[in-house]
Amino acid sequence: DAGVIQSPRHEVTEMGQEVTLRCKPISGHNSLFWYRQTMMRGLELLIYFNNNVPIDDSGMPEDRFSAKMPNASFSTLKIQPSEPRDSAVYFCASSLSRDNSGANVLTFGAGSRLTVL
Amino acid sequence: AQTVTQSQPEMSVQEAETVTLSCTYDTSESDYYLFWYKQPPSRQMILVIRQEAYKQQNATENRFSVNFQKAAKSFSLKISDSQLGDAAMYFCAYRTPGAGSYQLTFGKGTKLSVIP
Repeated sequence: DAGVIQSPRHEVTEMGQEVTLRCKPISGHNSLFWYRQTMMRGLELLIYFNNNVPIDDSGMPEDRFSAKMPNASFSTLKIQPSEPRDSAVYFCASSLSRDNSGANVLTFGAGSRLTVL
Repeated sequence: AQTVTQSQPEMSVQEAETVTLSCTYDTSESDYYLFWYKQPPSRQMILVIRQEAYKQQNATENRFSVNFQKAAKSFSLKISDSQLGDAAMYFCAYRTPGAGSYQLTFGKGTKLSVIP
């Protein structure tokens, strides 16, 4: 298995531009997560999908952020318009959640480093 | 709300020596899961070890082991025979079962350097 695949690996853009980050979860996994990592705030959960349905988007900073999961093998995180404070590493992770035991393990992608000038 | 505290922002260890990374957490739950993740310079978060709170036996994975003290709410990671490839950020994480079990609460991390 190729693991969780994210693209782009690096993105440099100017303030006001639209940014789209992409994620392909592990085949067979039914849960997908988007995290943001910054020095100040550490790792924060932005949104959680289960069976392609958004379950918890309370971590999405504001309306400029949106996420979609049109099918089980693809998800996007979009920022429009982007701002310098959005600069961070964005991680996608997936897992197979059979129950609510909490035992399932998240597999992370390599992350997308976003720099907004 | 659950919190996870890693009190050591940075640690260093001599190659082949043993190092222990600290983690404490705050919870009122009795059943939960604890994890250690490693983030090398490549950025990818990699699971190192997992501990179920209902198990008294400390989890081990090759050179990695934990010291789980439930009453003290402590979950330290011991790395034996440290190797250069162990240099990374290490994150402790906590999760409760139940409806909110997708929530993984991370500590701020400990940066481990391995000295040749």
